[in-house]
Amino acid sequence: GQNIDQPTEMTATEGAIVQINCTYQTSGFNGLFWYQQHAGEAPTFLSYNVLDGLEEKGRFSSFLSRSKGYSYLLLKELQMKDSASYLCAVRDRNYQLIWGAGTKLIIKP
Amino acid sequence: IAGITQAPTSQILAAGRRMTLRCTQDMRHNAMYWYRQDLGLGLRLIHYSNTAGTTGKGEVPDGYSVSRANTDDFPLTLASAVPSQTSVYFCASSDSGTTGTDTQYFGPGTRLTVL
Repeated sequence: GQNIDQPTEMTATEGAIVQINCTYQTSGFNGLFWYQQHAGEAPTFLSYNVLDGLEEKGRFSSFLSRSKGYSYLLLKELQMKDSASYLCAVRDRNYQLIWGAGTKLIIKP
Repeated sequence: IAGITQAPTSQILAAGRRMTLRCTQDMRHNAMYWYRQDLGLGLRLIHYSNTAGTTGKGEVPDGYSVSRANTDDFPLTLASAVPSQTSVYFCASSDSGTTGTDTQYFGPGTRLTVL
């Protein structure tokens, strides 16, 4: 079966750096997405990786290793507004997105 | 309208009743999707449509039906609601649905409670 694993919850301090990991086993691979979802709101797109390596976008970076079935989202200079759930999703061979359950990130002052 | 809208925002429904969740997008996206989101689980695809006039089944289609008469609208119907359909429902759209870089954009969601 297809599976996306990410930690259920993480806690970090304002101003610090946090890394959220995602491992996947899917039938085929056509890219990996990270979304942010604030409580009670819709998911919003953060990043997309299809080739191995690091993609940087401001305070957020996303890394992919296809051979290891692994990705991480790196958030720098954490702000209170970064408190949210972060969803990892992989596009499989049928171009459907398979979603992880999300990582709830709690930022403490 | 800007982006994707869903209606209603929330609904409490008696078991056995019929309910249609509405979704409209103004981005002229070809592909549209319906997901449900339950606590502790990832988003699960119910139905999708890669273009107007076509639909497909996702991971959890039982008890739900969809139609895609035009590009903008993608309603989801529960023919006879059951308590296990209590969930938050998200509609999403994307440009094509058939390329790797295709990014999905989500509506605000409908919170449905079936009693």
